[in-house]
Amino acid sequence: DAKTTQPTSMDCAEGRAANLPCNHSTISGNEYVYWYRQIHSQGPQYIIHGLKNNETNEMASLIITEDRKSSTLILPHATLRDTAVYYCIVRSVIYGGSQGNLIFGKGTKLSVKP
Amino acid sequence: DGGITQSPKYLFRKEGQNVTLSCEQNLNHDAMYWYRQDPGQGLRLIYYSQIVNDFQKGDIAEGYSVSREKKESFPLTVTSAQKNPTAFYLCASSPARTVPYEQYFGPGTRLTVT
Repeated sequence: DAKTTQPTSMDCAEGRAANLPCNHSTISGNEYVYWYRQIHSQGPQYIIHGLKNNETNEMASLIITEDRKSSTLILPHATLRDTAVYYCIVRSVIYGGSQGNLIFGKGTKLSVKP
Repeated sequence: DGGITQSPKYLFRKEGQNVTLSCEQNLNHDAMYWYRQDPGQGLRLIYYSQIVNDFQKGDIAEGYSVSREKKESFPLTVTSAQKNPTAFYLCASSPARTVPYEQYFGPGTRLTVT
């Protein structure tokens, strides 16, 4: 089972920041937080990941709370092309066997509106 | 261009027939994965392979088979034993020897069995 909880859906106005929350209260010290998104009928796309520090790349920012029990993905200026399902995933840093595999929940469907 | 290709994009089969889905990558990645996605659901792991000539069952392997004879290829066979084969199938790869690592997804094959 997925180890994260996300809202089923969210709306955002075009040009505004989209803030997507994720709860992962059972995260352990050796688990990263990963975000992927899936545009309709396409394969998922990697966005960003983090362990405990906040992270930023050209696509988004990831804010992780100090206790690591929740995080927020921020798309600073959402466009219509950001409409997608966003998946928050916790993932072990230990590689081997089934550890390190991605476990997808249902994600948050973000609709960016003009 | 480097990437993952899946073919065909749409596939139709009669019930009782085996069907093989193609997945090829030229990213020189060690690990490859097969996922299944049903409407409105997240992805579920079918099989994964961390190295040539080795593969492991995922969460829903029953009714599926795979082979990994070459690093760049990881075909999935949907057998007649799979009770509900109609779904969107996604292949992914990752540079398994590096942690943390993200998975790169192909465009998917939508299989319809009637």
